[in-house]
Amino acid sequence: NAGVTQTPKFQVLKTGQSMTLQCAQDMNHEYMSWYRQDPGMGLRLIHYSVGAGITDQGEVPNGYNVSRSTTEDFPLRLLSAAPSQTSVYFCASKNRGTYEQYFGPGTRLTVT
Amino acid sequence: SQQGEEDPQALSIQEGENATMNCSYKTSINNLQWYRQNSGRGLVHLILIRSNEREKHSGRLRVTLDTSKKSSSLLITASRAADTASYFCATDAGTGNQFYFGTGTSLTVIP
Repeated sequence: NAGVTQTPKFQVLKTGQSMTLQCAQDMNHEYMSWYRQDPGMGLRLIHYSVGAGITDQGEVPNGYNVSRSTTEDFPLRLLSAAPSQTSVYFCASKNRGTYEQYFGPGTRLTVT
Repeated sequence: SQQGEEDPQALSIQEGENATMNCSYKTSINNLQWYRQNSGRGLVHLILIRSNEREKHSGRLRVTLDTSKKSSSLLITASRAADTASYFCATDAGTGNQFYFGTGTSLTVIP
């Protein structure tokens, strides 16, 4: 199993550009989530999904959109990037009814 | 924000010594988890302690939980250079869907 994979590993955007961060898992997990990690802030939940077709907001959802059309994929979209979205983004997944999350390797995004 | 806080922010010890890091959180919890993050990598789950447990062991890890003080501690015994990483606590908001991570402790184990 590849576990949780994320692409790209690194990305530089200009203010106002859009992009999609990809996340996929091959463990048939119902639950998937997106976090951002900023220095001194730990991880903060952006959006999560408990199954295909179901998404919900986390702690810091503004500026980000998600959708979940399949169990395997959970893309995160930035419609109009801002410098405040410079961060490292992690995707994670887990089985429903459990608490242990499996994390991807992260995407380092810089918005200039 | 419901994010927890950990202390110390950074800890440097000699190989073989014990490392203790603490986590304080703000709301009632169902459980508390500890994760490790090696530099430039994703987080890896270490251990979970439920709100009705006071202490839990896993190998060289010992976790305690004091719900009256809203705090937890992670003890790593007989540390190794490979334990060098950042350690985060995470609490569950009650639904099993929203998790709040602490600010992390950066541990350096000197060989």
